[in-house]
Amino acid sequence: EVQLVESGGGLVQPGGSLRLSCAASGFTFSKYAMTWVRQAPGKGLEWVSAISGSGSTYYADSVKGRFTISRDNSKNTLYLQMNSLSAGDTAVYYCANCRGLYYDLPLAYWGQGTLVTVSS
Amino acid sequence: DIQMTQSPSSLSASVGDSVTITCRASQAINVYLAWYQQKPGKAPRLLIYAASTLESGVPSRFSGSGSGTDFTLTISSLQPEDFATYHCQKYNSAPPLTFGGGTRVEIK
Repeated sequence: EVQLVESGGGLVQPGGSLRLSCAASGFTFSKYAMTWVRQAPGKGLEWVSAISGSGSTYYADSVKGRFTISRDNSKNTLYLQMNSLSAGDTAVYYCANCRGLYYDLPLAYWGQGTLVTVSS
Repeated sequence: DIQMTQSPSSLSASVGDSVTITCRASQAINVYLAWYQQKPGKAPRLLIYAASTLESGVPSRFSGSGSGTDFTLTISSLQPEDFATYHCQKYNSAPPLTFGGGTRVEIK
């Protein structure tokens, strides 16, 4: 059974940093691209970042230069390092795996999400 | 960037009704379109990809169609468990892999 479990969310002050993790199990992690999607309270889904199975990375303009996606295939874990956070980054952050090695594929499985709140 | 516009933003329907949700891309995306269902407090669930291919385990009352810029999700004979928010997403190459604004399906 595929499982994705996010962690690392919480309350952070504007300008602060946070690192999210997503522990994966139930599939061969290194063979799948992974994605972060966020959802602000009461809003729609926003694609944030993705990393292919080979490690190529992609970002939404809204987070480019502030967020860094990475993966540790030996630990079956996906990360999102978030710097220079602002109120606009407040959201539930979901990790999801793509239906294959490349990032431009549908998102087959999703974690339960972790809430990031940016507030003073 | 390609924009994805869903309509309506919400609708009310009764159990047994057939409902159709539309998703329009600002540029042609071939059939690189997915639909997701999301219930309150839960993660989205993939329903349809490649515009019309049903994900494994998804009931056959869900169907998708379209190509290029115009796409539809149809739920025939709405069931109580189908009341949720539905999101479309384009996933052709070139980020961002944009989602539509969502359509909330409510009980009439």
